[in-house]
Amino acid sequence: EDKVVQSPLSLVVHEGDTVTLNCSYEVTNFRSLLWYKQEKKAPTFLFMLTSSGIEKKSGRLSSILDKKELSSILNITATQTGDSAIYLCAVEWEEYGNKLVFGAGTILRVKS
Amino acid sequence: NAGVMQNPRHLVRRRGQEARLRCSPMKGHSHVYWYRQLPEEGLKFMVYLQKENIIDESGMPKERFSAEFPKEGPSILRIQQVVRGDSAAYFCASSPPGFSGVNNEQFFGPGTRLTVL
Repeated sequence: EDKVVQSPLSLVVHEGDTVTLNCSYEVTNFRSLLWYKQEKKAPTFLFMLTSSGIEKKSGRLSSILDKKELSSILNITATQTGDSAIYLCAVEWEEYGNKLVFGAGTILRVKS
Repeated sequence: NAGVMQNPRHLVRRRGQEARLRCSPMKGHSHVYWYRQLPEEGLKFMVYLQKENIIDESGMPKERFSAEFPKEGPSILRIQQVVRGDSAAYFCASSPPGFSGVNNEQFFGPGTRLTVL
């Protein structure tokens, strides 16, 4: 069965810390991996990764995909309280168009 | 350009009643997806629709649940004879039309939180 596993399940850090969130997947016919940030509303899109080894950056957030290891990491540097959220990883695979399989998420809490 | 719209945002039903959840995709989007998020779980795919067609309903429970995306109007997720276990957040997402091989991220609506008493 196709699946996406995220770790850690939850994380508490202090402002200014750097965090690394992990996502691994077992999906046949992989097409892309997406990261979303979910606060008290809908998930908002962060990154889409299709090529291995190419880092994508947006401000303090960055992400990279390792197709050999079937995994991705999401880094957040100089964390702020506004980064507190659930971070969801989702994988899209070839046979089902744009259907996504989501991991359970990582709950990040940044303390001031 | 308004984002994905869902209504109602909160819905309370008693066991045995029907729940109807609506989703209007972003302008220009013709693909709609429904996901369910149970407490402390990730989003689970339910159904993928294009206009007037169900493309993939492999995540839909076999009974009581149905979905449609008519030519005119929003997509509807319908749950008949709701039970307490149906209490969850239901998210709709949309993506623009594309051809095979094009990766399209999905844009999510704010969700409908269904509570079954």
